[in-house]
Order: sequence, then structure tokens, then C-alpha cells
Amino acid sequence: EAQVTQNPRYLITVTGKKLTVTCSQNMNHEYMSWYRQDPGLGLRQIYYSMNVEVTDKGDVPEGYKVSRKEKRNFPLILESPSPNQTSLYFCASRSSTGMDGYTFGSGTRLTVV
Amino acid sequence: KQEVTQIPAALSVPEGENLVLNCSFTDSAIYNLQWFRQDPGKGLTSLLLIQSSQREQTSGRLNASLDKSSGRSTLYIAASQPGDSATYLCAALGGAGSYQLTFGKGTKLSVIP
Repeated sequence: EAQVTQNPRYLITVTGKKLTVTCSQNMNHEYMSWYRQDPGLGLRQIYYSMNVEVTDKGDVPEGYKVSRKEKRNFPLILESPSPNQTSLYFCASRSSTGMDGYTFGSGTRLTVV
Repeated sequence: KQEVTQIPAALSVPEGENLVLNCSFTDSAIYNLQWFRQDPGKGLTSLLLIQSSQREQTSGRLNASLDKSSGRSTLYIAASQPGDSATYLCAALGGAGSYQLTFGKGTKLSVIP
């Protein structure tokens, strides 16, 4: 089954403790991206990657890092999480043309206390 | 910058009613438009994808239309059911010289038994 898999689904952590949210896709998609979703603000893009070793900032990149060492994986790294990064996070992928649309992961609910 | 607006923000209808959800975008130079469904705290499920060259797409009780010239898309749900209760998001790929996906803030639909 074609899918984007995120882990973990839920995470509670403390301020300043580094964490990584993993994302993997099995569709051989070139493009992957991370979004956060907050009430009243909708979905906002954090980072995206056009292909292996090619990443770029989205609309809200502060406090986040990403890497794209393999085509299928696109982890999101929070080096020093803060409470304002409490949010629902989504990973998504699409082909290079985007003509088949986006596929989203099931989401990661992150709480930073 | 592409902007996507969804009106109304919330909608409550009795079971069995036909309904229309609206989506408008500011830049008509889009590649495609995708409608998603999101249940509370859950991931995004793709419902319909309309390419820029198409006027509509249908899947079961759902029909999505696209009018690029006016910057509008509609999602028509026939014979609504309580199980249709969810938030519906539209997202436009491209526009304003970008190849990114821009989301509206969604319409929260409640279908009353």
C-alpha cells in the first residue's frame, strides 16, 4: 500500500530535549515536506525537499532542522524544543510533477512542556 | 503569494441534505487543486484531485469542480450522512510563481442525524 509513515504518533517532551520525528514514504517520490497545523492558523509548511540532499525552508522553519540522505526518508529534528512548538505535525510527499497529488502521513501530536 | 480561502468556516446540516463547500484562490496559475478530509486530531485523507485542465472530478457522492478563471472550486456532497462530519480542506498547488501547496483553513461540517 502506498503510504507515508510518521513516527511517533504522540510525543510529550520537555523543553530543550532534542527529538526527531521520522517520516518515510514507499512511493519513490522525489518531493517531501513537513507541515505543522495549529488552531486558527491552518497548515503551514516548515521545510521541504525536492530530492536527496536538496532541502529548503518553508514558511515557518525557525527551530527546526531536516535532512534528506535517502529518497524515502525525511526526518524532522527539533534541536531544542520549546512550548511554542507544541503542534500537530504532518509529513507529505508527491512526485516531482505533483500531478498525482500529495499523500500525507497520519500526523504526530507533539506536546512540549 | 497564493492565498486560499474557504467559506463558510463551519456548516451544520440535517442528514440527507445536499451541500456545497466553497474554496477560492487568488492566483489562477495553479497546476491542480486537491480536496482533503480531516477527522479531529487525525491525518489528511485525499478525496479528489482536479488538474488545471479539468473542470470536475467525481468519486461516489462527491463531486469537485474547478473554475480557474474565477479562482474557485466547489465540493458537492450528495445525500449527506453523519459519517461525513469532518473538516474539509482544499489546497492549491502552484500560483504566484510557486510550486508549493497552499491550504485553506477548512470548513468544519456537522451532519445532524
